[in-house]
Parts: sequence; C-alpha cells; structure tokens
Amino acid sequence: AQKITQTQPGMFVQEKEAVTLDCTYDTSDPSYGLFWYKQPSSGEMIFLIYQGSYDQQNATEGRYSLNFQKARKSANLVISASQLGDSAMYFCAMREKTGGFKTIFGAGTRLFVKA
Amino acid sequence: DSGVTQTPKHLITATGQRVTLRCSPRSGDLSVYWYQQSLDQGLQFLIQYYNGEERAKGNILERFSAQQFPDLHSELNLSSLELGDSALYFCASSVAGGPQETQYFGPGTRLLVL
Repeated sequence: AQKITQTQPGMFVQEKEAVTLDCTYDTSDPSYGLFWYKQPSSGEMIFLIYQGSYDQQNATEGRYSLNFQKARKSANLVISASQLGDSAMYFCAMREKTGGFKTIFGAGTRLFVKA
Repeated sequence: DSGVTQTPKHLITATGQRVTLRCSPRSGDLSVYWYQQSLDQGLQFLIQYYNGEERAKGNILERFSAQQFPDLHSELNLSSLELGDSALYFCASSVAGGPQETQYFGPGTRLLVL
C-alpha cells in the first residue's frame, strides 16, 4: 500500500539558514513520482519540486533541492537561505501507476522562519 | 497563478443540501483531479479524469460525484451534505495524468456546511 510519512509536524529555522524537511515513502512500484508542495496561510497549493524514480540526479529548483535516497525510500526537501516568506505548510506527495494513479500526500510539516 | 481556476471560492450551505464545485484546468491539460483537505483527514485524493473519462478513484464518498465535460472543465457534485463535509476542495490539472507528471492546483473552494 502507498504511504507517505512526514515525521516533523513543525520546524523552526533562522532566516538565511538552510532547513531539511523529511519525507519517507513506501511503494513496490518501480515507476513513481515524488512531489513537494507549499501551502501558505492563504491556502493555495504551490508546486515546488519533482523527482522521478528513475532520475539519477537529485532535483533542484532555485533554493529548493530534493535529497533523493532511493534505497532508503526518502525524499527530503532542502530549502537553502530561508526567507520569511518560506513560512508555510509543506507537503510531500507520491504518485505511482500501481493502484490506479492515485496521489498520496503526507500529513505535512509546518515551517516557521524566524527573523 | 497556476492557471487552474475554481469557482466559487467560498460556499456556505446547510446540511442535506447539494452543491456543485467547478474547475477549469490549465490550457492544454487533459487530466483533472479533485482533492479534499480537512483538518482531521489531511489532503485526500478523491477522483481523477482524463479527457472526459474517469481514470482513478480515491476516497470519494457515494454522495459525491464528478464529471469532466468535452471542453475539459470538471464539476464535483456533493449531495446530502453533512457537517463533516466542510473542507477545502482543490482541483488540480496535468497534461496527461501520468504518474510522473506535476499536478498544478487551483486556489480551492472552501465549503462550510452548517
């Protein structure tokens, strides 16, 4: 069965420092996609970064990078040089072909950036 | 702005009523997804359509139904509403609905059932 685990309900980080948000997943499907989304207090879901299961290199998008460790089934999000605007809820999600293309989201991590 | 539009933004209704939520995908996207986000259950996948056909079904209640029209917009119908249906309902879209495609979310419809 699909499962996404985000073990950090809340995280604090000092402005301009880097922070890692953890995500582990469970799947037996060799083909899957991993996604991170940001949800600010306004409520919208903003796509941040994607990692495919066959990708050899870790994904990067500006200040966001994904630390993909396939054998450990982890897909941690790294935010470098945190900004006050990064304060939000962050969701890890997985989508696989098995089980009918369902997307499973983790419970989320609330990030607080301190000035 | 993701390019996905949802109407209405807010909806307040009473138990037992029926409502329809509308979604227009990004230009060029053929696949539409519906999600429910509630405080107690988090973000739950409800259903996916691809080019008018149902492709995947998640935790969608029998009281809920959806469809995707020839112009690719989608509607989510919620009937016999209960207090517990109060939630933020998102629509998302992607090009073709494959497992490794990014889904872009609309701003959501906030439903309050009184």
